Amino acid sequence: NAGVTQTPKFQVLKTGQSMTLQCAQDMNHEYMSWYRQDPGMGLRLIHYSVGAGITDQGEVPNGYNVSRSTTEDFPLRLLSAAPSQTSVYFCASSTLRGDRISGANVLTFGAGSRLTVL
Amino acid sequence: GENVEQHPSTLSVQEGDSAVIKCTYSDSASNYFPWYKQELGKRPQLIIDIRSNVGEKKDQRIAVTLNKTAKHFSLHITETQPEDSAVYFCAATPFQGAQKLVFGQGTRLTINP
Repeated sequence: NAGVTQTPKFQVLKTGQSMTLQCAQDMNHEYMSWYRQDPGMGLRLIHYSVGAGITDQGEVPNGYNVSRSTTEDFPLRLLSAAPSQTSVYFCASSTLRGDRISGANVLTFGAGSRLTVL
Repeated sequence: GENVEQHPSTLSVQEGDSAVIKCTYSDSASNYFPWYKQELGKRPQLIIDIRSNVGEKKDQRIAVTLNKTAKHFSLHITETQPEDSAVYFCAATPFQGAQKLVFGQGTRLTINP
């Protein structure tokens, strides 16, 4: 059971380049999401999905695309990278059902991907 | 949409003292309020959470209180230890669980020996 796996861990891009951050989970979680973390700004939701074929926008979706073709995978695409997208990106997943201990879902994070856009 | 404000942004306390971090939220429909701890270079991990039908929850040295009328909730850490040094995030959502969690800006807690 690997949990939430993100690749790559580090990436440097030039302005205008495109790339995909990969996220996979093996916990059969219905809910998957992408956050970006910037100093002093906390974690901001980019996109999320409540199941295969269903995606929706979060707080800061501009410049990013997502798709959810399987329960396990939720890739984040940057179509034309900009310096403002320099950040640490976290993928996170959870069930939609209540946790049997707390009664609520627990968001499980991946290890993060550090992206620098020059 | 929901907006979560967190204070202070940095907090430094002596080992053994208590630490309190406060958050306010804007959406009166929010009913789930987790707290996450992020150690340096690591991923955020849930440390405690509270639902809107509960006013206080405690787990050993950490406790969370919720005031729905005032729309604020707080994290209390007692008898602080060096391993408590980390960044702490509060969050809120109107959903039953972790969907569309909106996070505060984070508090960097430093425990001085």
